[in-house]
Amino acid sequence: DTEVTQTPKHLVMGMTNKKSLKCEQHMGHRAMYWYKQKAKKPPELMFVYSYEKLSINESVPSRFSPECPNSSLLNLHLHALQPEDSALYLCASSQGTRTELNEKLFFGSGTQLSVL
Amino acid sequence: AQSVTQLGSHVSVSEGALVLLRCNYSSSVPPYLFWYVQYPNQGLQLLLKYTSAATLVKGINGFEAEFKKSETSFHLTKPSAHMSDAAEYFCAVSELSEKLTFGTGTRLTIIP
Repeated sequence: DTEVTQTPKHLVMGMTNKKSLKCEQHMGHRAMYWYKQKAKKPPELMFVYSYEKLSINESVPSRFSPECPNSSLLNLHLHALQPEDSALYLCASSQGTRTELNEKLFFGSGTQLSVL
Repeated sequence: AQSVTQLGSHVSVSEGALVLLRCNYSSSVPPYLFWYVQYPNQGLQLLLKYTSAATLVKGINGFEAEFKKSETSFHLTKPSAHMSDAAEYFCAVSELSEKLTFGTGTRLTIIP
């Protein structure tokens, strides 16, 4: 299994809603990532988890809250989002040692989020 | 600080023609360099990577890239374009940190 699975594929939410994005991989990878991608732009790193501990937070607003319940799962909890947060949210994983974290990233297909 | 610059946000080539997508990098140490491809409504997929071994790197789907330190370049090529190559291509750089920095992307269109 070489897939990173993200659910849901599409999400529409209001600014007062609370929702969660989910990501799962069964490749034994120990590093997992959240990226945000606006239309026609490159992905921007939001968070990195290494061995289930948050190792990078790229100054992301607190309305985005990541969670790594175990080595296979990564969640992104959303609360009180703004319309400008509408984007494609991509999850990725990699082998996970510090020097190999970027050897190869496996990406999911993403969740297309629209905030109304 | 690491960065990559992709020259040309849009490139169009005829089917069967040479594909050349340009990437220049800036890095204070020998970098790791990558090319990723993104098809519509998909995540990114690694095409190839340079990690200080051979300067000519072969990837999937017939793509290859050459690391040229003197030119700080890592251009992506394919001898003969196929319709299925139409996608967005991202060059990326990493300096052994946990952060991968992407270029702004090049949209490749294949003309039948």
